[in-house]
Order: sequence, then C-alpha cells, then structure tokens
Amino acid sequence: QQQVKQSPQSLIVQKGGISIINCAYENTAFDYFPWYQQFPGKGPALLIAIRPDVSEKKEGRFTISFNKSAKQFSLHIMDSQPGDSATYFCAASRGDSWGKLQFGAGTQVVVTP
Amino acid sequence: EAQVTQNPRYLITVTGKKLTVTCSQNMNHEYMSWYRQDPGLGLRQIYYSMNVEVTDKGDVPEGYKVSRKEKRNFPLILESPSPNQTSLYFCASRQSGTDTQYFGPGTRLTVL
Repeated sequence: QQQVKQSPQSLIVQKGGISIINCAYENTAFDYFPWYQQFPGKGPALLIAIRPDVSEKKEGRFTISFNKSAKQFSLHIMDSQPGDSATYFCAASRGDSWGKLQFGAGTQVVVTP
Repeated sequence: EAQVTQNPRYLITVTGKKLTVTCSQNMNHEYMSWYRQDPGLGLRQIYYSMNVEVTDKGDVPEGYKVSRKEKRNFPLILESPSPNQTSLYFCASRQSGTDTQYFGPGTRLTVL
C-alpha cells in the first residue's frame, strides 16, 4: 500500500491564486520530504524539500509546511502562473534506505489564464 | 550538460520478447535506481544500485533484472515482458551524501 497519501488528485486554480497540495505519511522514520514537479514528457525534477527539524521552508513562490505531530506536509504555490501547470509529487525517504523515495500518487495542477 | 539519459524513449513490444532499457548518467553519481510510474500510484522503485556491482531490490522487482558493471550505466532488463509491465519507466541518479535525485526523461513501454 502507498506509504505517502497525496490529495487532491487534481486541482484547477486561476492565475494569481494559491494552489495547496497535501500529503500524509505513517512511517515516523521518514526524515526527508521532497516535492517533485513533472511536466508532460519529462522526468520529475526536485522543486523543494524539507527535513523534520523545521516547520516551514520557502523558496520563491513555493512553500512547504510540515507538521511532524500530525505526520502531514503540504505544498503551497503562491501567485500561481500558467507555467506552474504540471503534476506534483510529494515523497518521503528514510536516512537508512539509500535514499529510496516513497512517492505520493501525484496531483495534476492546471492554472488557467 | 549534467544529465541522465534513457533509451529508447518509446517502445512497443510483444509478450515474452526480451528487452533492455538503457540508462546512463554523466555526473559520476554512485547511486542509481529505476522507478515505474503508473496512474494513481505515483512512482515505485524497482531496483537500485549503491555502486558498481552492488544492486538490490526495490518495492516492485518482480519480472525485472538490472546490472551495474560501470558506474555511469544501469540498464533495466525485462527477460520475458508481460502486459502488466506496460508503464512509464524512469531512471534516477544521486551523488552519495546528498539527497537530490536526478531523473531521466522516461521510457514509455507498451507490452502487447
């Protein structure tokens, strides 16, 4: 079964709006939580990542919020742009797993002009 | 340019016909892995390699083989493909001691 649960499956947001994608996990041994962005016909590319020692990380318009006690983390895309239209995957890995990533099912984000 | 390359990008084959998907990286990364991507399931790891001649199973290894004879190459072998192996495959690499994995462009495989 999927070790990282991601929602929603898809999301439509207007240009300038905020996109929010949520992920939940059960394994408390996970210590690295990246978000990957994938455009059609391309491989996933690292967007932003966080470790459990901080509750929030911001890079430009992208922010990860992390709630260790709830075992949840989320991606916020501020001021969404049409170029942000892509599929977003959350993932998690353990320090002793040679970096094996456990991925969520993915969220297709469409930003309308 | 630092990159992970895969070949072929698209492949249609028939059940039972052995095939190999190649993966090569030019970043001198120790760690390489293969994932398959299926709708509603995200990406799942098939096999990984910590270095030359060192490989291990991921979450979904059945029906696949790998080898790592050179640091830069990590081919994925399907000895007898079946229709349930129809999927989008990604190779990834990572430098030891870092977290970021770099993914190739993907290989879309259809097994009839």
